Amino acid sequence: DTEVTQTPKHLVMGMTNKKSLKCEQHMGHRAMYWYKQKAKKPPELMFVYSYEKLSINESVPSRFSPECPNSSLLNLHLHALQPEDSALYLCASSRERRTVRETQYFGPGTRLLVL
Amino acid sequence: AQTVTQSQPEMSVQEAETVTLSCTYDTSENNYYLFWYKQPPSRQMILVIRQEAYKQQNATENRFSVNFQKAAKSFSLKISDSQLGDTAMYFCAFMKHSGLTGANSKLTFGKGITLSVRP
Repeated sequence: DTEVTQTPKHLVMGMTNKKSLKCEQHMGHRAMYWYKQKAKKPPELMFVYSYEKLSINESVPSRFSPECPNSSLLNLHLHALQPEDSALYLCASSRERRTVRETQYFGPGTRLLVL
Repeated sequence: AQTVTQSQPEMSVQEAETVTLSCTYDTSENNYYLFWYKQPPSRQMILVIRQEAYKQQNATENRFSVNFQKAAKSFSLKISDSQLGDTAMYFCAFMKHSGLTGANSKLTFGKGITLSVRP
């Protein structure tokens, strides 16, 4: 089973709203990732969590706030977003053994539109 | 730093025919993973195939196979018996095999290639 689930599938929000994206996996993976993807472009890494701790933050603006409440769940809290933040947000997970992170498996994404 | 180059932005193939997608990469590492991911119009990123650099044998997954040339730093994907469902954007990606900090654990993607399968 290589399933990563994401909710919601679509989200429309105003620039003053607060919303959250959710990602879940039950593969026992201890590394989880958030990516942002614009149309026809490769995904851009935003955050990496390793064993529920933030491992990498790719200088993402503070209006994006990640959270990893447990080993299966990853949230991305959104506040005061800008129209240019409209994109597909992908979650991924991978096994992590000693010094190796392995193949990343992606969820279906949340398509976000900021008005 | 690693770079991944997919120089062809678009390709088209007739259904049931074979197509090869090109990818080259640049790295000073000796131990790494290479991947092909497929992203259909639904936009879910799906792993197609994975190659570990220390393995000389080319990876295969059903109709998908790779031609991995480590010395030439080339990693092409061959799709046999193309199907309409193969229509998608395909990304080649590189990841260093070890080291969990910063760039060492990141996937480096190419720009992608849009493949259209014609009926």
